[in-house]
Parts: sequence; C-alpha cells; structure tokens
Amino acid sequence: AQSVTQPDIHITVSEGASLELRCNYSYGATPYLFWYVQSPGQGLQLLLKYFSGDTLVQGIKGFEAEFKRSQSSFNLRKPSVHWSDAAEYFCAVGGSGNTGKLIFGQGTTLQVKP
Amino acid sequence: DTAVSQTPKYLVTQMGNDKSIKCEQNLGHDTMYWYKQDSKKFLKIMFSYNNKELIINETVPNRFSPKSPDKAHLNLHINSLELGDSAVYFCASSQDLTRTGYEQYFGPGTRLTVT
Repeated sequence: AQSVTQPDIHITVSEGASLELRCNYSYGATPYLFWYVQSPGQGLQLLLKYFSGDTLVQGIKGFEAEFKRSQSSFNLRKPSVHWSDAAEYFCAVGGSGNTGKLIFGQGTTLQVKP
Repeated sequence: DTAVSQTPKYLVTQMGNDKSIKCEQNLGHDTMYWYKQDSKKFLKIMFSYNNKELIINETVPNRFSPKSPDKAHLNLHINSLELGDSAVYFCASSQDLTRTGYEQYFGPGTRLTVT
C-alpha cells in the first residue's frame, strides 16, 4: 500500500540556519511527490513537486527537494531559514490510477528560534 | 480573487444536527476534493469529483454526502453530527485527472466543532 512517513514530528532551528525535513514514501511505480506548507489557521500551499526528470526540484520561497529513488526519499531543504518559515510541512505522494488522490505524511512542525 | 473559498470558516454545532459546508473554486478546474484534517493534523481524502462525477469515496460514513451542482462548486452535507466529526475540513481543486491533477489548490478550511 502507498504510504508516506515523515520521521520528524517537530523540528526547531535557529533563524539563518539550514533546514532539512525528511520524507520517505512507499510506492510501487515512479511516484508523483509533493511538499505542501500549512501556516497556522491557513490552507495548504504547494511548495514544490516532482513528476519526472531532474531529481533536484526547486520550489517557492527558496525551498528545494531531492528525489532519491534508491532511498525512497524526497527530503525538503532550505539553506537559510527565515522566521516566517515556521509552519506545518506535509509531504505527499500521488496515488495510482490518475484519481488525483494524495496520500499525506503526518506532517512536521517547524519552529524557528530568533 | 480567492481561488478556492469555503464557507463558513468556523462551525460550532451540537450532536445530532445537520450542517453543510460550501466550497467554490474560480480556477476553471475540472476536479474538486474534500479532505479531513484531524486533531493530530493528519490529512485524509474523503471525496473527489471530476466534472460533477464522483471519483473517490474513501469509506466515509454515509452521513457525509457531497454534492456538486456544477464544476465550480462542491458542497459537503453532514447528517446527524457526532463528536468524532470535529475536525478541519479542506476543499481543494485541481485542473483535471491527468498527472497535473495531483497539483491541488486548497481552500482555507472549515473548522467544525461538535459539542
């Protein structure tokens, strides 16, 4: 069965420090992979996506993610975190069958220290 | 200019009541979805509609009934509300059901509290 695991429930980093949020997926074929961000009281916003091609994808707000098939991972990175990056981050995989079904990980809460 | 809008934003009601949440998208998308986010922030799809046709029904109790009067609207009606229905409900839309259909745009959410 398809699944997504985000091993880190909560991460705290200092402003200006680098960030890496982990995501592991289970999927039989080449997956469609996504990172979404949810600010407090808000809906989800798409940060970036991977469908095929270059395994390093760039997104909005200075985020990037790397697809590693051998490790079944799609980790999100940012070289320098800003206080406004504090939010909930969700990794998701597109289900099979072109149904549009997204399977989400349990989310990682990012706290940024001044 | 909101792309995906939901009303109401907050809904507080008592057990046993019937309530509806409305969703509208102005993106010209063909596909719309309802997700439920529980108290632990876990997101799970409930329904999806493509061109007003039901595509996904994820073993949701039949007290939940989605209705899509047209491509731009997908409403969620809930009968006989239970305490366990308390959650944040998100509407989303996507262009279609090709691979781009996975790129979904979410509304701001409706926080439902059942007392």
